[in-house]
Parts: sequence; C-alpha cells; structure tokens
Amino acid sequence: QITLKESGPTLVKPTQTLTLACSFSGFSLSASGVAVGWIRQPPGKALEWLALIYWDDERRYRPSLKSRLTITKDTSKNQVILTMTNMDPADTATYFCALTGDPWFDAWGQGILVTVSS
Amino acid sequence: SYVLTQPPSVSVAPGQAARLTCGGNNIGDYRVHWYQQKPGQAPVLVVYDDNGRPAGVPERFSGSNSGKTATLIIRGVEDGDEADYYCQVWDTGRDYVVFGGGTKLTVL
Repeated sequence: QITLKESGPTLVKPTQTLTLACSFSGFSLSASGVAVGWIRQPPGKALEWLALIYWDDERRYRPSLKSRLTITKDTSKNQVILTMTNMDPADTATYFCALTGDPWFDAWGQGILVTVSS
Repeated sequence: SYVLTQPPSVSVAPGQAARLTCGGNNIGDYRVHWYQQKPGQAPVLVVYDDNGRPAGVPERFSGSNSGKTATLIIRGVEDGDEADYYCQVWDTGRDYVVFGGGTKLTVL
C-alpha cells in the first residue's frame, strides 16, 4: 500500500523559510522512473504544481517560483523535503506531496495547511 | 507557459451524463489526466492518458482528447460525484506540470 504524508509548520511568518517533509511508504524513490512532486492549493483556488524530484536526483521547478524553491530527497529515510524561502501571505495554501511514475500523480498525501501571517 | 482552461462550473441532474471540458492549444498532442477532489480531501486520479481508468474508478468515468479540447465524461451521474475536477498535462518540452483551473460539478 502506497502512502504519503506531509509534515512541517502550519504557521510561518512573512519572510521566513518554510521547510516541509513528505514521508512515504510502499514504493522506493531509488526505483527507475519514480518521482515525487509537491503541489499546493490556496484556499478556494486551483491546484498549482511546485516542484518534482526524480529517482536519479533530477529536479524540476515551477519557473515563477524557481528562485525560492529547493527540493531534495533522503532515500534512506523515505523522505522528500521542500524548502520555500521568503514566505508571503500569498503562499498560504494546503501543500500536497504526490507520487508520479508517469506523467500523472498516482497517489497523494492528505495535505498540510500552511498559513503565512505575522 | 502552457494554459489549460476549464469552465468554473457544470451542473447536471442525477442519472444524466456530465461532460467536463479542458481546453488548451493543441491539447490533442498531450496526454491529459483528470483528478476528482472532494471538499477537504486530496485529489484522486480518475482518468489518465486521456482515457485510461485507474483500478477502482467506476466505468462511468471516461475521457477523450482531440484538437483543442479534452473531455471528462461521467455517465449516470450520482450525488457522490459532486466535486471539483482538474485536468493536468505534462509539458514535456519544458518538463513542467500544468493543472487546469478546475470545474465544480454540481449534481442538481
């Protein structure tokens, strides 16, 4: 059974750096073709893809946020980490991590609501 | 960047067919995937690769894709199908994931 779960702070202040972890089980991020992505959803708004990391450590970022995002993986811990710098109230959203082995997202975490407020 | 356009809302009576569209420039050249999201829940894949159906998804869900429009078709709509639906493609040229703006399906 594949599971993913997001963890991290639910409240951050403007200008701070957000660090989120995606802990997963039921698959290996060392397996060829596997990738984990981060997607966010502001309250009442649409899904927005942020970043992706592949089994071979290749990374892809949303161009408009590339300067603020870093995605890394710890295969031994079955975790993917997303950091986002210089947080702004507009970054308030539910952040999801999801598994992809193809160009679609097979399985999603439950999401974590992150609020940016002073 | 590539843009996917979805109507904000679609309403359908129970038992009827719902057709949710996703428009994009030459979207027929892309592989389109659809997700269902109910309030407070994570999205769930309901159609992949234009018309593939993941295990556990009812046969009532199907898809098509041609030209400038991809369509998710839900036959025999039930109350439980009421949700937001998102289309998604992978812009392989830029290695960039794109989601549509989502359509809220209301069952009358």
